[in-house]
Amino acid sequence: DADVTQTPRNRITKTGKRIMLECSQTKGHDRMYWYRQDPGLGLRLIYYSFDVKDINKGEISDGYSVSRQAQAKFSLSLESAIPNQTALYFCATSEQGLAGGPEQFFGPGTRLTVL
Amino acid sequence: AQTVTQSQPEMSVQEAETVTLSCTYDTSESDYYLFWYKQPPSRQMILVIRQEAYKQQNATENRFSVNFQKAAKSFSLKISDSQLGDAAMYFCAYKGYSKLTFGKGITLSVRP
Repeated sequence: DADVTQTPRNRITKTGKRIMLECSQTKGHDRMYWYRQDPGLGLRLIYYSFDVKDINKGEISDGYSVSRQAQAKFSLSLESAIPNQTALYFCATSEQGLAGGPEQFFGPGTRLTVL
Repeated sequence: AQTVTQSQPEMSVQEAETVTLSCTYDTSESDYYLFWYKQPPSRQMILVIRQEAYKQQNATENRFSVNFQKAAKSFSLKISDSQLGDAAMYFCAYKGYSKLTFGKGITLSVRP
């Protein structure tokens, strides 16, 4: 089984709809992240969480919210989806470690299309 | 703020040949990590190699090696004996005391 899973893998929705993307991990990591990938822009950080009670905004958090339901679960919500939120979304995890710590492990991604 | 620059959007290599992908970064931090991630058409992000800034020795992983020039803030990836399965998008990434910062990526194609 994959260590970091994302559901759904693909989603098409309409403008104005609320949508939730879910991420689960079995790696036992404390830190979890949500990124979006757009062509020509690389990956950009939306939100991150260092533990269940710690939620932080990334560089592009507007229009998004998150919930850390448990150490292993981190959900991303779009309260009212708009077309420019069409992108590939990744969840990632990492261990708690020294500053500058270890690498992040990514889920398989969710392709979201907002019509 | 840290920045990562991958100036070449695309590169092509003949199968079995060697190719080098370039990456530069800007930081004022002294301790950090650098990574190369591979994203094949399956879109999975796969860690290829990592380099700790305090280590002078360049990292190697089988056919993949890096040329890390700390003073020049350069971190290039060399792929030897290129294979068709190496065709993918490659991202350079920087991790200091805060978030992981990605470059925009480079698409590598491998000619049979």
